Amino acid sequence: ETGVTQTPRHLVMGMTNKKSLKCEQHLGHNAMYWYKQSAKKPLELMFVYNFKEQTENNSVPSRFSPECPNSSHLFLHLHTLQPEDSALYLCASSQDTSPLHFGNGTRLTVT
Amino acid sequence: QKEVEQDPGPLSVPEGAIVSLNCTYSNSAFQYFMWYRQYSRKGPELLMYTYSSGNKEDGRFTAQVDKSSKYISLFIRDSQPSDSATYLCAGGGGSNYKLTFGKGTLLTVNP
Repeated sequence: ETGVTQTPRHLVMGMTNKKSLKCEQHLGHNAMYWYKQSAKKPLELMFVYNFKEQTENNSVPSRFSPECPNSSHLFLHLHTLQPEDSALYLCASSQDTSPLHFGNGTRLTVT
Repeated sequence: QKEVEQDPGPLSVPEGAIVSLNCTYSNSAFQYFMWYRQYSRKGPELLMYTYSSGNKEDGRFTAQVDKSSKYISLFIRDSQPSDSATYLCAGGGGSNYKLTFGKGTLLTVNP
């Protein structure tokens, strides 16, 4: 495996469910990111982790809970989501200020 | 005013055409600019990365930045059907953690 890998690729969940998105990067980068991509909107930065420490929380609702156990793995824990949370969730990594490398995303549908 | 404005299109051109994709930005602190290409059901991939005003060329692609007018462009020469994708412009400054994206332009190159 190379690059940034995200699982699952697709996820359908009810509003009362709890699920987690997983991201793994094989690039040796020191920073990892969660972005939300909705139709007709720019990519929205959600969270940033630098050397496992969270350095950015972009006013994200508490129903999204990130976890970064090490510099290669990033999780996004989801609970009691709303239908408007349906979107493509992208994970990315970078080394310092180098350009972001994205995974292929998890397409989330909240019913 | 949104920090990065990008016409979402869609833009449809015949094969072999020269394509011009444009963005404007409002944040004077932006120091570097990127163009990402995103195929359907994939994550964005870095296409071009520029750090200053002027042109940068890579094969059929040319990125142009004019900091005085806060205008960035991507030109595609001899466009191919494989160039059909959504193109995202982005600007950042100081730290890569604050990369700001445009909405993306959907391009279709018809054979």
